[in-house]
Amino acid sequence: EVQLVESGGGLVQPGGSLRLSCAVSGFAFSDYYMDWVRQAPGKGLEWVARSRNKGNSYTTEYAASVKGRFTISRDDSKSSLYLQMSSLKTEDTALYYCVRSGNNWPPILDSWGQGTLVTVSS
Amino acid sequence: DIQMTQSPSSLSASVGDRVTITCRASQDISNYLAWFQQKPGKAPKSLIYAASSLHSGVPSKFSGSGYGTDFTLTISSLQPEDFATYYCQHYKSYPLTFGQGTRLEIK
Repeated sequence: EVQLVESGGGLVQPGGSLRLSCAVSGFAFSDYYMDWVRQAPGKGLEWVARSRNKGNSYTTEYAASVKGRFTISRDDSKSSLYLQMSSLKTEDTALYYCVRSGNNWPPILDSWGQGTLVTVSS
Repeated sequence: DIQMTQSPSSLSASVGDRVTITCRASQDISNYLAWFQQKPGKAPKSLIYAASSLHSGVPSKFSGSGYGTDFTLTISSLQPEDFATYYCQHYKSYPLTFGQGTRLEIK
């Protein structure tokens, strides 16, 4: 069974930093693209970042709203995905989902974690 | 960026009805289109990819169609568990973007 479990959310002041983690199981993590998608309270879904798989050298993509502030990374030996968030803004307040994407082209979002809540407030 | 526009934003229907939700892309995305269902307080669930292919375990009451810029999600014989918010999403290029969502409510 595919499982994705996020952690690391919490309350942080504007300008602060936070690191989210996603522990996965039930599939060959290194073969898959992985994404972070967020949802602000009462709002829709917003794609945040992508980590390509080992076969694609773990290259990354970012939404313009987070580029230069957020860094997606992974540790295949720990089957874990991370999102390092810095220079946080109040508009980054959201539920952050870890999402598995495909292991072939084109990668599609197919399995979602339950999310971890990030609140940016003074 | 490719903009995704869903219509309607909300929809009221009765148990047993058949409903259709429309998603329009601001440019040609071929069939790089996915649909998701989200129930209150829950994570989204992946329903459809490649515009019309059902993910494993998704019942055949859900169907998708379209190509290029115009797409539809149809749900037949609505049951209480189908009342949720539905999102489309393109994966033609970066950034990946979602529609604003369609809230399907019980009439």
